[in-house]
Amino acid sequence: AQKITQTQPGMFVQEKEAVTLDCTYDTSDPSYGLFWYKQPSSGEMIFLIYQGSYDQQNATEGRYSLNFQKARKSANLVISASQLGDSAMYFCALPPQGSKIIFGSGTRLSIRP
Amino acid sequence: NAGVTQTPKFRVLKTGQSMTLLCAQDMNHEYMYWYRQDPGMGLRLIHYSVGEGTTAKGEVPDGYNVSRLKKQNFLLGLESAAPSQTSVYFCASGRIGTDTQYFGPGTRLTVL
Repeated sequence: AQKITQTQPGMFVQEKEAVTLDCTYDTSDPSYGLFWYKQPSSGEMIFLIYQGSYDQQNATEGRYSLNFQKARKSANLVISASQLGDSAMYFCALPPQGSKIIFGSGTRLSIRP
Repeated sequence: NAGVTQTPKFRVLKTGQSMTLLCAQDMNHEYMYWYRQDPGMGLRLIHYSVGEGTTAKGEVPDGYNVSRLKKQNFLLGLESAAPSQTSVYFCASGRIGTDTQYFGPGTRLTVL
């Protein structure tokens, strides 16, 4: 069965520091992708970054990067130089075949000024 | 290009009432989804559609019905609302052959 685990319900980080949000997954699909979404207090879901399991390099999008370790089945999100606007819920997600995304329970990130 | 829109944004129902949530997307996406999000939990898939006229059950379909009569619209219906359906509902859409989903702003539903 497909499963996503996010073990950090909440994190506090000082502004301008880097932060790593953990995500581990379980899938039997030989080819898959990992997503990260951000949900600010306003409620909308914002797509951040995508990593394909056969991508040669870890995905990066601006200040967001994925620390993808396939053998460990982990896809941690790294946010460099955190900003106050980064305070939000962050969800890791795994799309199994058929495009039905499975979400983790999320990590609430709070950035301190 | 409005992306994915949802109406209404907020709604309060009494137990037993019915209502329909509307999701519309203007990106010509084939796939559309309805999720619910409850405190402390990730999003759970209610129903989804891979094309006009087709729907399928997700993880938590009981108590909900959906219809996809037009490609751009995906309706979620509650025939007899229950307090357990108090949640935030998200609609999403995606293009065939890709996994990325684009989300609407959500509908906050309270059932008293």
